[in-house]
Amino acid sequence: KAGVTQTPRYLIKTRGQQVTLSCSPISGHRSVSWYQQTPGQGLQFLFEYFSETQRNKGNFPGRFSGRQFSNSRSEMNVSTLELGDSALYLCASSLAVVSNTEAFFGQGTRLTVV
Amino acid sequence: AQTVTQSQPEMSVQEAETVTLSCTYDTSESDYYLFWYKQPPSRQMILVIRQEAYKQQNATENRFSVNFQKAAKSFSLKISDSQLGDAAMYFCAYRSWDNYGQNFVFGPGTRLSVLP
Repeated sequence: KAGVTQTPRYLIKTRGQQVTLSCSPISGHRSVSWYQQTPGQGLQFLFEYFSETQRNKGNFPGRFSGRQFSNSRSEMNVSTLELGDSALYLCASSLAVVSNTEAFFGQGTRLTVV
Repeated sequence: AQTVTQSQPEMSVQEAETVTLSCTYDTSESDYYLFWYKQPPSRQMILVIRQEAYKQQNATENRFSVNFQKAAKSFSLKISDSQLGDAAMYFCAYRSWDNYGQNFVFGPGTRLSVLP
């Protein structure tokens, strides 16, 4: 069974640009959540999607948005990039939306903003 | 809001020895789950062990075990017979659910080095 796939693995963008990251969950998983990981702030929750609906959103500005498609694949978009957006972006998929289901993480997308 | 604290930014252990990583959390909820994740240099977050808050028995997974003290809000990870492959960042995490969805909070991490 294929794991969680995130593309691209590495990305370099210029300040002011926008970027779209993709996450393909494990087959059959309907819940996808996104996290930003930085050395200073650690792992922070961005948002969660289940069955194409955003269920929860972390404390991030509106420049961060996402969506989920009918096949459960998810994308996150960051507009008007800032230097501080440089981070590792991780997504995780779960079979269902209950606490005890394991969250499987992808290898992340390393975004560098210059 | 829930918080997770890991007071040891870095730890080291000799190969084959035992090491304990500390984690404390703060919550007013009664129903939640706790996890330890391992993140090696490959960046893949791997679940090491999980604990349901309503279970008093400490979880164990082979060489990994936890000491869960619910009243003290403490959730430490013990790694026995440490191996070189255990070297990684270890994150303690808290997960609960409400009407808006999941609430998944991670600690700042502990970098574990295993010395040959």
